[in-house]
Amino acid sequence: QVHLVQSEAEVKKPGSSVKVSCKSSGGTFNNYNINWVRQAPGQGLEWMGAIMPIFGTANYAQKFQGRVRITADESTRTAYMELSSLTSQDTAVYYCARDLYSGSPNEFEYWGQGTLVTVSS
Amino acid sequence: QSALTQPPSVSGSPGQSVTISCTGTSSDIGSYNRVSWYQQPPGTAPKLLIYEVKNRPSGVPDRFSGSKSGNTASLTISGLQAEDEAAYYCSSFTGTSTFVVFGGGTNLTVL
Repeated sequence: QVHLVQSEAEVKKPGSSVKVSCKSSGGTFNNYNINWVRQAPGQGLEWMGAIMPIFGTANYAQKFQGRVRITADESTRTAYMELSSLTSQDTAVYYCARDLYSGSPNEFEYWGQGTLVTVSS
Repeated sequence: QSALTQPPSVSGSPGQSVTISCTGTSSDIGSYNRVSWYQQPPGTAPKLLIYEVKNRPSGVPDRFSGSKSGNTASLTISGLQAEDEAAYYCSSFTGTSTFVVFGGGTNLTVL
């Protein structure tokens, strides 16, 4: 069974960056997309991007291009999402999620517990 | 503004059926049979209910079913139970650089 464990909550200042981690255990890590999805308070879900660790290159939603960087470390089975130039609009719970099967992303079967990132001066 | 349009809320009594719609465009739902549905009770991570329009992952009851017609997908929950009270989100593959778009979510109330 696949299990995703994310890093703890963070409080950041406007203009700074945050890096959230997602450690995978069980199942295969390298050839499934790890996606990042965020949810602002009381709002819906928003796909930010994804990486397939075996390829090492990430795809990003147009909205976040230039401001987000998704990486993966095969040796530790850990994916990372770094978001820069933070504003209060980035206050949200950030989830990592693994695809149901290998290929292009959309079917997110396994989810991390979520990491709350609060941006406040 | 969410890319896919869902009704903000629906409700039903125990034992009844409800249907949640999800309207996209010819660039997403209309072009791909890659529609997924997620259930999210308050304070928890989403759970995959339906993938590829109508398929259920292992462990999801057959009370949950999905369909699609044109640019609109639908989730039907039959035999409503109190535990079904949650937010429901649809998503679709888009084939653009923004691979995945979500609906705004629908809150289901079991009366």
